[in-house]
Amino acid sequence: GAGVSQSPRYKVAKRGQDVALRCDPISGHVSLFWYQQALGQGPEFLTYFQNEAQLDKSGLPSDRFFAERPEGSVSTLKIQRTQQEDSAVYLCASSSPPEGFFNMNTEAFFGQGTRLTVV
Amino acid sequence: KQEVTQIPAALSVPEGENLVLNCSFTDSAIYNLQWFRQDPGKGLTSLLLIQSSQREQTSGRLNASLDKSSGRSTLYIAASQPGDSATYLCAVGGGNTGNQFYFGTGTSLTVIP
Repeated sequence: GAGVSQSPRYKVAKRGQDVALRCDPISGHVSLFWYQQALGQGPEFLTYFQNEAQLDKSGLPSDRFFAERPEGSVSTLKIQRTQQEDSAVYLCASSSPPEGFFNMNTEAFFGQGTRLTVV
Repeated sequence: KQEVTQIPAALSVPEGENLVLNCSFTDSAIYNLQWFRQDPGKGLTSLLLIQSSQREQTSGRLNASLDKSSGRSTLYIAASQPGDSATYLCAVGGGNTGNQFYFGTGTSLTVIP
């Protein structure tokens, strides 16, 4: 597609429910990032994929958060047993640096985000 | 850990005015710096990318500078328009920060017609 696509745009979950958020990166983009943005804050890093390999998951806040990108394209962020503090906008970004790895040419292109509200 | 600060947090200017948004970061060992625009309820739109070896980048009425050694970047907007109203975020990427971008909390800009 022309840009990064995320679905759903909005999700309301009851506390304790599991949710799955989808990201379709720009076709051919090697790198994929997930970020969490709380209201009034800048995005906070969650995890980074290069193709299907999850190279960095240091930002995942707990073991209830899990991300995968099994075929190196579409990615899913799963949150188990959601809690109110998980309410935020979840942003996905993709990039395609010519060398394939994170470098000074890495420019991130973001999707519209999924707004998750846990009630 | 990289800390990114943006000043001011909010700015309101009359249409036509030139303005400067500031971004500072604590770890200068970065690969690049990217400026984004975020409209309410929307994702991030990339405005400018400055590589660590560059001093500035220009796109239309926007000019971004980077002084890596002092850990500072500025975004200059010329002849502001009401359509420029949005939140502007800077993000530093790579280097000592690893495979990620660190974001500031943004500057909320309102351009008054």
